[in-house]
Amino acid sequence: AQKITQTQPGMFVQEKEAVTLDCTYDTSDPSYGLFWYKQPSSGEMIFLIYQGSYDQQNATEGRYSLNFQKARKSANLVISASQLGDSAMYFCAMRESGGSYIPTFGRGTSLIVHP
Amino acid sequence: EPEVTQTPSHQVTQMGQEVILRCVPISNHLYFYWYRQILGQKVEFLVSFYNNEISEKSEIFDDQFSVERPDGSNFTLKIRSTKLEDSAMYFCASSAHLDNLPQHFGDGTRLSIL
Repeated sequence: AQKITQTQPGMFVQEKEAVTLDCTYDTSDPSYGLFWYKQPSSGEMIFLIYQGSYDQQNATEGRYSLNFQKARKSANLVISASQLGDSAMYFCAMRESGGSYIPTFGRGTSLIVHP
Repeated sequence: EPEVTQTPSHQVTQMGQEVILRCVPISNHLYFYWYRQILGQKVEFLVSFYNNEISEKSEIFDDQFSVERPDGSNFTLKIRSTKLEDSAMYFCASSAHLDNLPQHFGDGTRLSIL
């Protein structure tokens, strides 16, 4: 079974608009971390944002925020005021604390920002 | 800001040849990782390394693969006899602690097997 599901293979957004990239996860571990990476066409992996399962507030980093809905097991990434440079692949990942510390990645969502 | 560096950025190798991918983790980090990403697919964990030994490895990391920290700065991934399906982007990452996030990724080495 997939531990991380990203149902949107591709998303399009107009420059300066907000966009939400979906991520749902599956775990029975009460302690876990969720995070998002950005992968531009050049290939590098850039860390964006992290949410711990016990964090009371949704994580925010600049234009990135994580809409964490624990009961629904979702951790959607919200990018506000999209910029052309936001066009990239976005990967959601989870690390469970109960066993391995190694993160599991989703299949990614390709975001294209239109001018 | 300190970063993880990987060399080369692109490696082209004949099938059956050995290849060594090199990484210089962030200097005060203690945990090192290799990941693989086949073109168009998700990032897959290969191996983690701490205190000069493998701490975890995935099913992908078979006897053809090995890792080494030959000196105080480099961390290498060796593929002994490459196969066509080894063609992928290989990412090195490091972290200060086991549960330290984020793991800092290098820019990757694109390995092409001919």
